Amino acid sequence: GENVEQHPSTLSVQEGDSAVIKCTYSDSASNYFPWYKQELGKGPQLIIDIRSNVGEKKDQRIAVTLNKTAKHFSLHITETQPEDSAVYFCAASSGGSYIPTFGRGTSLIVHP
Amino acid sequence: NAGVTQTPKFQVLKTGQSMTLQCAQDMNHNSMYWYRQDPGMGLRLIYYSASEGTTDKGEVPNGYNVSRLNKREFSLRLESAAPSQTSVYFCASQENHGPYEQYFGPGTRLTVT
Repeated sequence: GENVEQHPSTLSVQEGDSAVIKCTYSDSASNYFPWYKQELGKGPQLIIDIRSNVGEKKDQRIAVTLNKTAKHFSLHITETQPEDSAVYFCAASSGGSYIPTFGRGTSLIVHP
Repeated sequence: NAGVTQTPKFQVLKTGQSMTLQCAQDMNHNSMYWYRQDPGMGLRLIYYSASEGTTDKGEVPNGYNVSRLNKREFSLRLESAAPSQTSVYFCASQENHGPYEQYFGPGTRLTVT
């Protein structure tokens, strides 16, 4: 089955800095890679996703990159703000089995 | 639209007691899931249901049962709770035919003493 590794487990940055979270996956058939943000006391919510036919996708301050050859993908947050503080999860799934496998999460702390 | 709703929000059980966690979605999604979230372990799949009338085991099914009551509702039952089942439980729904985004409920925080 799929295995998703996520690093780092904790990331502390100053407001205005950039933050990068990295994930690797094992199943070359995986073709959908979502990122979820979980605020304290809430359920995870999708913030951005990328499919295997695309190398990069941006949405305002958030971007995701995908390297299919190396089987890794990353989340980039620029100009971080205190409200970006949350736990972020990466996931991978394939078209045959749409069930996602999640990474263990990264706790991002943005200091004002 | 309420999205995905879960009840209760909090629950404390004694070892050996039973309870059912309820989940409902109003997005007409085919697939529904139950996850548990423990510190440092991410989201682990307990059971899922790809469509009304079907259920399948996930990564950590032992000690749990599920029922897909209809297309909207998917319940998780603990028959004899154990301290190892202390966790936060999330229900999620997803449309099978792309774009594969999952929609999560607000969670149930369960403590077993």
